[in-house]
Amino acid sequence: DAGVTQSPTHLIKTRGQQVTLRCSPKSGHDTVSWYQQALGQGPQFIFQYYEEEERQRGNFPDRFSGHQFPNYSSELNVNALLLGDSALYLCASSSLSEPQHFGDGTRLSIL
Amino acid sequence: EDKVVQSPLSLVVHEGDTVTLNCSYEVTNFRSLLWYKQEKKAPTFLFMLTSSGIEKKSGRLSSILDKKELFSILNITATQTGDSAVYLCAVSLPRSNTGKLIFGQGTTLQVKP
Repeated sequence: DAGVTQSPTHLIKTRGQQVTLRCSPKSGHDTVSWYQQALGQGPQFIFQYYEEEERQRGNFPDRFSGHQFPNYSSELNVNALLLGDSALYLCASSSLSEPQHFGDGTRLSIL
Repeated sequence: EDKVVQSPLSLVVHEGDTVTLNCSYEVTNFRSLLWYKQEKKAPTFLFMLTSSGIEKKSGRLSSILDKKELFSILNITATQTGDSAVYLCAVSLPRSNTGKLIFGQGTTLQVKP
């Protein structure tokens, strides 16, 4: 049974570009949450998707947007990339009966 | 503002030692407290605590929650080099298991042979 899978593993972009990160939840999970983890810090909540809608949002600018598809997979989009967006982006999936399980993350580097 | 604070930030011990990691929180609408272990990549789930005073155990790891004093501890007995990792504490806000998680900054544990 596959857990949470994220792609790509690593990504290098330049300032001003746009990026899309992808996440497939664990089988049986219907809720997807995205987190940003800077080096040496705990993950910071970006937003959460359920039933294809954004249900909760953290303190991130509108440059961060997302989407959830009917099969529960999700995308995170970041526009107008800044140097400060360099981080590990983690996706977590969950359901009413299970706590959040995390994927291995996408390491995003901005040059 | 909701806040989770972990201590110590880093810890170096030798194999066989026992360690205690601390997590305190100040949040409104507390639902549960979770512990994760993060090695290279994905944080892996260890425990979820919702009730005060009930210890959860898994092998050499155990954890307990005090909702009156707003803290939790994670104990690891007979540490092994494979326990070296960052241990993350997180508080879940309402919406059962799917509520957003507020993380502490983590405790980096290094276990030397």
